[in-house]
Amino acid sequence: RKEVEQDPGPFNVPEGATVAFNCTYSNSASQSFFWYRQDCRKEPKLLMSVYSSGNEDGRFTAQLNRASQYISLLIRDSKLSDSATYLCASITGGGNKLTFGTGTQLKVEL
Amino acid sequence: EAGVTQFPSHSVIEKGQTVTLRCDPISGHDNLYWYRRVMGKEIKFLLHFVKESKQDESGMPNNRFLAERTGGTYSTLKVQPAELEDSGVYFCASSQRGSERGYFGPGTRLTVL
Repeated sequence: RKEVEQDPGPFNVPEGATVAFNCTYSNSASQSFFWYRQDCRKEPKLLMSVYSSGNEDGRFTAQLNRASQYISLLIRDSKLSDSATYLCASITGGGNKLTFGTGTQLKVEL
Repeated sequence: EAGVTQFPSHSVIEKGQTVTLRCDPISGHDNLYWYRRVMGKEIKFLLHFVKESKQDESGMPNNRFLAERTGGTYSTLKVQPAELEDSGVYFCASSQRGSERGYFGPGTRLTVL
């Protein structure tokens, strides 16, 4: 079983829609979680960290559910420019090395 | 401030050849990580340097891979001899001491024919 799992998609949504991604993790000792955005043939870029209390950054809201071992990302009012692959990642133990999911592809259409 | 840079951006080599990838982290970042993404799979951790010391090399696939970070600045990752399954995108990331926030370089796309 993979340590971090995501639905690969693609999620095709119209502009203005709200879309949500979930990601599950198997290691209950994982202490930190993140959402990264990766554009085609580019490097991953940190979108936001994820906290149990939930955190919001503009149109993006992230949530961590430790009891069920999943994290979520909600994107409201989708823009064409949101089209990308969204990677969830966790840190377990020291060293701050990241464990990634395979990513969820989002395509926002006119 | 300059970001993480990697060289080359692309490399196409034949099976059995040697390739050396280079990563220049953000200045002052003690932590340097190598990751790899092979086709259709997730990005996977290879190893972690703290300054010039290897902190964790648990993700290195085999002894054909050798990473160095002499002087604690830039790092190289050598693959010798390269095999077909080594094809993928190799990312480098760096971070400040104690920080969870890693900054990724643009990656090196390696193709082994």
